[in-house]
This record gives sequence, structure tokens and C-alpha cells, in this order.
Amino acid sequence: QVQLQESGPGLVKPSQTLSLTCSVSGNSISSGFHYWSWIRQPAGKGLEWIGSIYSSGSTKYSPSLKSRVTISVDTAMNQFSLNLSSVTAADTAVYYCARTHGVVPIAVYYMDVWGTGTTVTVSS
Amino acid sequence: DIVMTQSPDSLAVSLGERATINCKSSQSVSHSSNNKSYLAWYQQRAGQPPKLLIYWASTRGSGVPDRFSGSGSGTDFTLTISSLQAEDVAVYYCQQYFNSPLTFGGGTKVEIK
Repeated sequence: QVQLQESGPGLVKPSQTLSLTCSVSGNSISSGFHYWSWIRQPAGKGLEWIGSIYSSGSTKYSPSLKSRVTISVDTAMNQFSLNLSSVTAADTAVYYCARTHGVVPIAVYYMDVWGTGTTVTVSS
Repeated sequence: DIVMTQSPDSLAVSLGERATINCKSSQSVSHSSNNKSYLAWYQQRAGQPPKLLIYWASTRGSGVPDRFSGSGSGTDFTLTISSLQAEDVAVYYCQQYFNSPLTFGGGTKVEIK
């Protein structure tokens, strides 16, 4: 059974970098059949796709966040990570990682397995 | 970006009755070349992550009860719960994957009347 678990600091100061890791079990990232994504959800609001990565390191990012986002993968650890720089209060949200279907390297489709989410608050 | 608009924002349905949620995209999310609609539906219960219900507009996800069905093409899509159960209380989101960036609807909250 595939499981994803987010980890990282729950509190980040404004202007600093938010860093989260998603640990994957039950599915090897390097098996090559999926993308791996980050999605966020401010409290009481909707879902926002941040970006996705393939095991080769090929990435796709939301244009609205692209200048601040880096997603990386560590196939040896079966993990992938999110760095979001220059954060503000607007980046406060629950951050989810998810296994994602798509056509490599062309397109990212839908998310079929999600982590439980981790709450990140941006505050001094 | 493709804008996804859901309606209604919320609805209250009696147990055993039908619930219908609409999702409209700002441009077509269907490909004429393969006759596929690049549209997914998710269910998010309170305090939980989203769960994939439907992909390719009408294909149920693994383990999803058959009371959930998806339909539509082009710009107009519908999620139907044929007989509402207590465990279906949740917020439902549509998502298009026709173009990057992936975008979601604003969500529809389903409650018991």
C-alpha cells in the first residue's frame, strides 16, 4: 500500500525558505510510472498545485510560484522535497504531497494518493 | 490558466437522495483527438486530505462506490452522488489537467438536510 508522509518545520519566519520533505513507502519513486507533486491549501480555502517532479529530476511548476519554488528528488531515500523561498503570510497553508499520474515528460494529470498534509505557518 | 468554476457553493441533500455538483471550465478540457476529457473529481472530508473519486471525467478511482458518477465534456461537467450516505458529507473539488498549470474548482460543500 502506497503511503506518503510530509515532514518539516511547522513555523517559518517571513522572508525565509520553507522546506518540506515527502517520504514515500510502498512505491519506488524510481519505478518511473508517476510524477510526484506538491499541493497546498490555505485554511478554509481551495487547493493550489505547486509543482511536480519525475524520478529523472524533470520538473513542472505553477507559473505563479515558479520564481520561488524548487522541487527535488532523492531516489536513494525514496523522498522528494519542496523549497519555497521568500515566504510571506500568504504562504501559510496545509501542504500536501501526492503521487501523480501523467505522461512523462509531457504532462501532469491527476493525484491518486495523497499524504496527510502538514501545516506550515509563516509568522515572526 | 484555465479557470474552474463550481456550482453550487454548497448544497444540503436528504439521506438517500441525489446530489449533483457542477463544474465549468473557462475553455474546453476535452481532446477531440482521443475523445478524452481531462477532468478529475476529489472528495475532501473534514480534516483529511483529498481523495481521488473520478478521473478522465467519468472513470471511478480505486475503491470508489458506484453511487459516485461523473459525466460531461467540453466545458461542462457533473459529479452525481446517486444516493447520499452520511459518509459523503465533504467538500468536492474538480480539477483540470488539460493544460498546465493544474487548476482546481473552488469546491462544493455537501451536507445532510
